[in-house]
Amino acid sequence: NAGVTQTPKFQVLKTGQSMTLQCAQDMNHEYMSWYRQDPGMGLRLIHYSVGAGITDQGEVPNGYNVSRSTTEDFPLRLLSAAPSQTSVYFCASRGTSGSTSTDTQYFGPGTRLTVL
Amino acid sequence: GNSVTQMEGPVTLSEEAFLTINCTYTATGYPSLFWYVQYPGEGLQLLLKATKADDKGSNKGFEATYRKETTSFHLEKGSVQVSDSAVYFCALRTGGYQKVTFGIGTKLQVIP
Repeated sequence: NAGVTQTPKFQVLKTGQSMTLQCAQDMNHEYMSWYRQDPGMGLRLIHYSVGAGITDQGEVPNGYNVSRSTTEDFPLRLLSAAPSQTSVYFCASRGTSGSTSTDTQYFGPGTRLTVL
Repeated sequence: GNSVTQMEGPVTLSEEAFLTINCTYTATGYPSLFWYVQYPGEGLQLLLKATKADDKGSNKGFEATYRKETTSFHLEKGSVQVSDSAVYFCALRTGGYQKVTFGIGTKLQVIP
């Protein structure tokens, strides 16, 4: 049971480039989220999903796209990277009311992204 | 809207000192409250939680009591260790899953 995995761990992009941050979980959790962590601002929700085929915007969605074609995977796409997107990105998942982990979010190890 | 307030720190303590990290919140309804811990280079891990007023969450020697009258959920530990050095996040959740709000995180440094 690997929990929540994220790739890559580090990435450097040039302004305007696009890329996809990968997130996968093997706990059969329905709920998945993407956060960004910036100094002095804590964690801010970018996008989330309540199940395969269902996604919605969080607090800071601009410049990011998501999709959820399977329960396991929830990739985050940067369409045209900007320096303001330099941050640490965390993916998280949580079980539904039928599981024992309904209150606990499980976080991945993070992706540190730098946009030059 | 919902909000969580905590000091950013860093909080620097000597080993075996008493720890308090304050957390206050504003929320509609009756939130569940959480403390998460982030060790260097890692993601967040749930440390403890409380789901209703007067509940006390505890784990690894850390405790926090849900105080509805003061809208607070302060984290305490009687004797900190160097291994407790980390960033601690207070968070709340109201309604459905997506209403999770985090504080800015408090960095704790414990020196031998």
